[in-house]
Amino acid sequence: AQSVTQLGSHVSVSEGALVLLRCNYSSSVPPYLFWYVQYPNQGLQLLLKYTSAATLVKGINGFEAEFKKSETSFHLTKPSAHMSDAAEYFCAVSKGQGAQKLVFGQGTRLTINP
Amino acid sequence: AAGVIQSPRHLIKEKRETATLKCYPIPRHDTVYWYQQGPGQDPQFLISFYEKMQSDKGSIPDRFSAQQFSDYHSELNMSSLELGDSALYFCASATQGGVRETQYFGPGTRLLVL
Repeated sequence: AQSVTQLGSHVSVSEGALVLLRCNYSSSVPPYLFWYVQYPNQGLQLLLKYTSAATLVKGINGFEAEFKKSETSFHLTKPSAHMSDAAEYFCAVSKGQGAQKLVFGQGTRLTINP
Repeated sequence: AAGVIQSPRHLIKEKRETATLKCYPIPRHDTVYWYQQGPGQDPQFLISFYEKMQSDKGSIPDRFSAQQFSDYHSELNMSSLELGDSALYFCASATQGGVRETQYFGPGTRLLVL
């Protein structure tokens, strides 16, 4: 079985500060890992994904994440927060190859303080 | 670029009524997933289809059924609606070739059961 744990249901940072959203996974097979962002009353937008290639993955809007197998982690970072980054962020895992469902974490709500 | 289309975007039903949600995947995508997101919760996988065949099944109630048609669009049929079915229902599409294992989400259908 696969699962994802997001540490911190709410994270608040100042504009211009580092953003760090934590995600740890559990998987019986080599996982594919994803970060999605959800703005209020909108769908899920893919930020970035890890599919067993480079362990440091760069995504849209200046976000990046690093896959660390030894720590079973896939934390999301952004060097400098912008007000427009305020949203709900979901980490998700799938088994990878083939048509595989996503298993989501509980989500982290990111608030940006001016 | 074309995105996943879901209709209707909003739906209000009474208890014990039926509802049909539709999903039109990105052109040339052969896989469709359905997820349910309750208020303040993470998306939960319901069911998926690959090439018009059911490929996986999650926590989908027996009152719900779904299918994928020859043009790859999918419909989620919900009967005997309960108050607890009120949620945001997402459809996502993917392709087994090209950019593998990336699910692209539609804007969702918000269902309210009164």
